[in-house]
Amino acid sequence: ELKVEQNPLFLSMQEGKNYTIYCNYSTTSDRLYWYRQDPGKSLESLFVLLSNGAVKQEGRLMASLDTKARLSTLHITAAVHDLSATYFCAVDGREYGNKLVFGAGTILRVKS
Amino acid sequence: ETGVTQSPTHLIKTRGQQVTLRCSSQSGHNTVSWYQQALGQGPQFIFQYYREEENGRGNFPPRFSGLQFPNYSSELNVNALELDDSALYLCASSPLGRGTYTFGSGTRLTVV
Repeated sequence: ELKVEQNPLFLSMQEGKNYTIYCNYSTTSDRLYWYRQDPGKSLESLFVLLSNGAVKQEGRLMASLDTKARLSTLHITAAVHDLSATYFCAVDGREYGNKLVFGAGTILRVKS
Repeated sequence: ETGVTQSPTHLIKTRGQQVTLRCSSQSGHNTVSWYQQALGQGPQFIFQYYREEENGRGNFPPRFSGLQFPNYSSELNVNALELDDSALYLCASSPLGRGTYTFGSGTRLTVV
């Protein structure tokens, strides 16, 4: 079964703290995506990771990919309130029928 | 470069009615995929269209149907609406197999 699992599903953190969101997937994928979604809005693309060991950073967010472990992480450094949103990981590829399969999402709340 | 446009942004329908949602494709993208996102969940793949043919379908009943036009724009039709069809419907265009997805802003459907 094609599954993408994220944890935690809910994360409440203080400004200035660091934390990591984990994304496990069940079957070999071609690409791993991270999206951000604000309430009532569409998906904003954050990162696309293609190969084992890939690491991408944008501002306070850094994503990495371990294809052997079928694991991606989204690391948040020195969180700020503006990062509050829901974060989704997703995978696609031939094993997934050329469609995106999403995790359930991680709701991030950064408290001032 | 144009983005992906969805219409309408919001609509309210009565159970049993039919609805059509529309999606333009980003310039240069020949594939359109549709996703349903229920409240508090990750997006679920409905189907994908490529060259005006269905090119993959998720676990949705036949009352969910679609079209793709020569200009690559697409429609999602849902017949015999049920209360559980209430969701945010997202479309994404991409070049086939290239993994570059551009999401529209979504259509919020409420079935009462």
